Amino acid sequence: EAQVTQNPRYLITVTGKKLTVTCSQNMNHEYMSWYRQDPGLGLRQIYYSMNVEVTDKGDVPEGYKVSRKEKRNFPLILESPSPNQTSLYFCASSLSKGFEYTEAFFGQGTRLTVV
Amino acid sequence: DAKTTQPPSMDCAEGRAANLPCNHSTISGNEYVYWYRQIHSQGPQYIIHGLKNNETNEMASLIITEDRKSSTLILPHATLRDTAVYYCIGAGGYQKVTFGTGTKLQVIP
Repeated sequence: EAQVTQNPRYLITVTGKKLTVTCSQNMNHEYMSWYRQDPGLGLRQIYYSMNVEVTDKGDVPEGYKVSRKEKRNFPLILESPSPNQTSLYFCASSLSKGFEYTEAFFGQGTRLTVV
Repeated sequence: DAKTTQPPSMDCAEGRAANLPCNHSTISGNEYVYWYRQIHSQGPQYIIHGLKNNETNEMASLIITEDRKSSTLILPHATLRDTAVYYCIGAGGYQKVTFGTGTKLQVIP
C-alpha cells in the first residue's frame, strides 16, 4: 500500500531538548516536504527536497533542519525546540515530472507540544 | 509559486453542486493548478490538478479559464462527507508549494 509514515503521532517535550520527527515513503517519490499547521494560518511549508541531498527552505524554515540521505526518508530535526514550535506537522511526498507534480501523499500528522 | 485567493467559507446544500472559486492571476505558464482538501486535522487529500484544459475525475471537475487567471472546482453532488477545507494551489517545477488558508466548505443537510 502506498503510504507516507510519520513518527511519532504525538509528542510532548520540553524547551531545548533536541528531537527528530521521522518521515518515510514507499513510493520512490523524488519530492518530499514538511508543513506545519496552526489555527488560522493554514499549511505552511517548512522545508522541501527535490531528491537525495537536495533540500531547500520553504516559507517558515527558522528553527528546523532536514536531511535527505536516502530517497525514502526525510526527517525533520528541531535542535532546540521552543514553545512557538508547538504545532501539527505533516510530511508529504509526490512524484516530480518536469514542471508537474503528481498527486501528493500526506502522512497522518505529528502533534507536537513544547512546554 | 503562484499566489492564490479563495473565499474563506462557503455553504452548499446536500445533493447540489458545490462550486469553489480560486483566483490565481499571477500564475506562470508552466505552473499547474492543484486542489486538495483537508477533513478535520487529517492529512490533506489530493483531488485534481490541471494546466490549461478542464479536467474531470471520479471526485470532481476542474474548470480553468482561458487566461488561466482563475479556476473553479466543482463537486457535482455534494454530500455531508465533503465538508472540509479546500485548498487551491498554483505550483510547478523545482519550487516550494504554498497551501494558504483555503475555503471551508460546509455541506448542509
